[in-house]
Amino acid sequence: KNEVEQSPQNLTAQEGEFITINCSYSVGISALHWLQQHPGGGIVSLFMLSSGKKKHGRLIATINIQEKHSSLHITASHPRDSAVYICAVGNTGNQFYFGTGTSLTVIP
Amino acid sequence: NAGVMQNPRHLVRRRGQEARLRCSPMKGHSHVYWYRQLPEEGLKFMVYLQKENIIDESGMPKERFSAEFPKEGPSILRIQQVVRGDSAAYFCASSYAVPYEKLFFGSGTQLSVL
Repeated sequence: KNEVEQSPQNLTAQEGEFITINCSYSVGISALHWLQQHPGGGIVSLFMLSSGKKKHGRLIATINIQEKHSSLHITASHPRDSAVYICAVGNTGNQFYFGTGTSLTVIP
Repeated sequence: NAGVMQNPRHLVRRRGQEARLRCSPMKGHSHVYWYRQLPEEGLKFMVYLQKENIIDESGMPKERFSAEFPKEGPSILRIQQVVRGDSAAYFCASSYAVPYEKLFFGSGTQLSVL
């Protein structure tokens, strides 16, 4: 079992839909990151959170430390949101553990 | 993230050759991480370095792989005598201070071993 599990693995949505991607983890956590990887490979860090909720534009990330669960929400999805979204958990050591990613396709 | 520069973007090597991957962290960042992404798999930690020191290399194969982050110049991930199984995307990330602070990623180097 991976230290970080994401669901769903693949997601197709119509433009404008509300999207939720889930992340569950089993390791001790210092911070959780949501990353976005576009075709061509570049990775962008969207959020880093250790508690509560953060919002950036149409993106919202939440974390529940007790339940070891985080969600990434995209409101009013757009085709340019199409990417792979990766959950990464940093522990109190030096390591990050990564989920295998959720591939999102938003159809116009 | 243009701030973390990796080169080359694509590297083709034949089995048995050496591969050298370079990573220049963002200005002011002294923590560098290397990750490997195999096809259909998630990113896997390889090694964590600070200037002139390897802090954690627990994710790096003990043979053929080495990494350095010299006082001057980029961090180098070196793979000797490459095999087909080394074909992957190698990403470098850097952070300013503590290890688990916000990471900034490079665009990766896609290594193909023929």
